[in-house]
Amino acid sequence: DQQVKQNSPSLSVQEGRISILNCDYTNSMFDYFLWYKKYPAEGPTFLISISSIKDKNEDGRFTVFLNKSAKHLSLHIVPSQPGDSAVYFCAASETGNQFYFGTGTSLTVIP
Amino acid sequence: SQTIHQWPATLVQPVGSPLSLECTVEGTSNPNLYWYRQAAGRGLQLLFYSVGIGQISSEVPQNLSASRPQDRQFILSSKKLLLSDSGFYLCAWSGAFVGQFSYEQYFGPGTRLTVT
Repeated sequence: DQQVKQNSPSLSVQEGRISILNCDYTNSMFDYFLWYKKYPAEGPTFLISISSIKDKNEDGRFTVFLNKSAKHLSLHIVPSQPGDSAVYFCAASETGNQFYFGTGTSLTVIP
Repeated sequence: SQTIHQWPATLVQPVGSPLSLECTVEGTSNPNLYWYRQAAGRGLQLLFYSVGIGQISSEVPQNLSASRPQDRQFILSSKKLLLSDSGFYLCAWSGAFVGQFSYEQYFGPGTRLTVT
């Protein structure tokens, strides 16, 4: 049972435009969320996180939005750059010890 | 600074053979440790996590097992590999979750396992 879902397996965006990656979850007890970026044959690297007490967290070009009532979070990348091309995973946790990952969205930024 | 090591980087094993993947963390104490698997075309599946020496929680029933013999060492094992065990195995660590403070997970470079 997939508790964290990323329904778009892939996304293509023109360089300079906004990339929006979406993530849905089913467990209303999740209270901490993270986004990771992964290149092929490498481990994921942490991008940005948000706790349930906030609805927005911003770090440079990356902003994560959390809609608790809809059980939905999104990652916005503005402006998108070719180096942003990678697979992006969202993850959620209830306890902070155990995280559930989505299936990932492959982002391609076209120069 | 903290670093996480995983080895080997790649591994090709026949069906029915044993498996041992090792992960070690440097620069931190009492980390939470995790084993994930990314199968082809799929997301990251949590296999095991550990909050301390000898404490292992299993998320998915399978023919794999994990052990934590030392504070910063996490081992993934199998007595007999199946074809379905092929995938990219990732070890990760995080700091302890205390109250409202929690820490992101840091991943190792991964091991590509091919079972033939």
